[in-house]
Amino acid sequence: DQQVKQNSPSLSVQEGRISILNCDYTNSMFDYFLWYKKYPAEGPTFLISISSIKDKNEDGRFTVFLNKSAKHLSLHIVPSQPGDSAVYFCAASHFGNEKLTFGTGTRLTIIP
Amino acid sequence: SQTIHQWPATLVQPVGSPLSLECTVEGTSNPNLYWYRQAAGRGLQLLFYSVGIGQISSEVPQNLSASRPQDRQFILSSKKLLLSDSGFYLCAWTPGTAIYEQYFGPGTRLTVT
Repeated sequence: DQQVKQNSPSLSVQEGRISILNCDYTNSMFDYFLWYKKYPAEGPTFLISISSIKDKNEDGRFTVFLNKSAKHLSLHIVPSQPGDSAVYFCAASHFGNEKLTFGTGTRLTIIP
Repeated sequence: SQTIHQWPATLVQPVGSPLSLECTVEGTSNPNLYWYRQAAGRGLQLLFYSVGIGQISSEVPQNLSASRPQDRQFILSSKKLLLSDSGFYLCAWTPGTAIYEQYFGPGTRLTVT
């Protein structure tokens, strides 16, 4: 049972435009959500997170939006840069859980 | 500052051979430690995690085992590798309870031939 889903395996965006990566979850107990960025042959790096008490969190060019009623979160990258080309994973957890549940990832390609 | 090390970076092993991958964390104490595998074109699958020395939780039944002989050392092992064990193995840590962000090591690329 895939509790965290990233339905778009890939996304291509023109440099300078907005990239929007989407993630859906099914477990209503999840109360904390994270985004990771991964380059080939490297470990994922933590990007940004959001608690369920918020609906938006911003860090520079990266903004995460959370819609609890729809069980949906998205990552916005504005403006997109070539270095943003990577695989992006969303992940979720809940209080008292020592683990993260990851989505399958979306490969973002920024076109110069 | 905290750093996480994994070795080796790459490994090519024949089917049936043993495996030992090591992960160590510096600059922290009593971290939670995790082993993940990323198969080709797949997401991150949690294999094992540990909240303390000698405490191992297994997420999926498989050909692998994990041990935590010291506070900041996490080892992934197998007695006999299978072809299906090929993948990219990642170690991660968190400072402890109620800290969700996990920080990953550089990974080990394992190819079983």
